[in-house]
Amino acid sequence: EVQLVESGGGLVQPGGSLRLCCAASGFTFRDHYMEWVRQAPGKGLEWVGRIKSEALSYTAEYAASVKGRFIISRDDSRNSLYLQMNSLKTEDTAVYYCARDLMALAGTAFDYWGQGILVTVSS
Amino acid sequence: DIQMTQSPSSLSASVGDRVTITCRAGQSINTYLNWYQQKPGKVPKLLIYAASSVRSGVPSRFSGSGSGTDFTLTISSLQPEDFATYYCHQSYDTPWTFGQGTKVEIK
Repeated sequence: EVQLVESGGGLVQPGGSLRLCCAASGFTFRDHYMEWVRQAPGKGLEWVGRIKSEALSYTAEYAASVKGRFIISRDDSRNSLYLQMNSLKTEDTAVYYCARDLMALAGTAFDYWGQGILVTVSS
Repeated sequence: DIQMTQSPSSLSASVGDRVTITCRAGQSINTYLNWYQQKPGKVPKLLIYAASSVRSGVPSRFSGSGSGTDFTLTISSLQPEDFATYYCHQSYDTPWTFGQGTKVEIK
């Protein structure tokens, strides 16, 4: 059974940092691109970024709203995905989801999601 | 960025109704279009990928169609468990973008 479990969320002051972790199990983690998606309270879904597999040199891509502040990494030996969030702003307050990329021939889709973890940026 | 626009933003329907939700892309995205369902307080769930491929385990009342810029999600006979918010998502080019969501409510 595929499972994704996020941890590391919480309350942080503006300008602060936080590191989220997503522990994966039930599939061959190293073969899949992995994604981060967030959802501000009462709002829709917003893509944060993704990291490709070793075969694509672990290339990471980011939304413009977080580029230069957030860093996505992965440790395939630990089946873990990370989101390092720096210079946090109040508008980064959201539930953060990690998601697996289906990697179908017909393109990307997020077929499994973690339960989500709340990050609150407030003074 | 590719803008995704869903319509309507919300709708009221009865059990057994046929429901259609539309998603329009700001440019052609071929068939790189996915649909998700999200119930209140729950995790989004993939329903349809590549515009018309129904994910394994998703009830057959859900279907998707379209290509280019115009797409539809159809629920052929609305069931009580289908009341939720639905999002379209383009995977043609990063940054991936979502529609604003369509909330399906009980009439």
